[in-house]
Amino acid sequence: NAGVTQTPKFQVLKTGQSMTLQCAQDMNHEYMSWYRQDPGMGLRLIHYSVGAGITDQGEVPNGYNVSRSTTEDFPLRLLSAAPSQTSVYFCASSRRTSGPTGELFFGEGSRLTVL
Amino acid sequence: TQLLEQSPQFLSIQEGENLTVYCNSSSVFSSLQWYRQEPGEGPVLLVTVVTGGEVKKLKRLTFQFGDARKDSSLHITAAQPGDTGLYLCAGAPANAGGTSYGKLTFGQGTILTVHP
Repeated sequence: NAGVTQTPKFQVLKTGQSMTLQCAQDMNHEYMSWYRQDPGMGLRLIHYSVGAGITDQGEVPNGYNVSRSTTEDFPLRLLSAAPSQTSVYFCASSRRTSGPTGELFFGEGSRLTVL
Repeated sequence: TQLLEQSPQFLSIQEGENLTVYCNSSSVFSSLQWYRQEPGEGPVLLVTVVTGGEVKKLKRLTFQFGDARKDSSLHITAAQPGDTGLYLCAGAPANAGGTSYGKLTFGQGTILTVHP
């Protein structure tokens, strides 16, 4: 049972470098999202997608890009890494519901350090 | 922007003690979820509460949604070392239709340590 798979688990970047965090889910979920987790701040939404070809900004989108070409994949791109982007990044997926929000299934996280 | 204030941020107790974690907001949420996270892993859903005043029990854990759907609490009875972890509350916006599209507002989290 793979669920939500994130790669890489750990990454160290220098300021100004770019990189892509990969996220894939095998549950055929319509909704996918990226959160970052910083000490004392819980999880904050970066970008989300309600289906292939549809993405939108969350609470802290600056410095990040996303695309959703397939239902399964939702990569997060850091355009020019900054030390403020040092964080743990979580990808999540959930099933479309007509009622109350469904369960979010999270990956194991990607720990990024920007020097 | 909807905010969720979670308290306390840290809780260190002895095995067998009871505890309560609070999650408060000035905003109304269509539903509220509680997640538990272990080190090196992603959060895992414990419960979803939907109706104002709703109470749900999961073994020794009791979850309550405020009448006005602005706050929630998690009460653990007779805590055990296995309850140690980070507890997160998360609210879904009270928009039309009630669906959150996977967008949740999270509290800051409560790090619970239960000592044997």
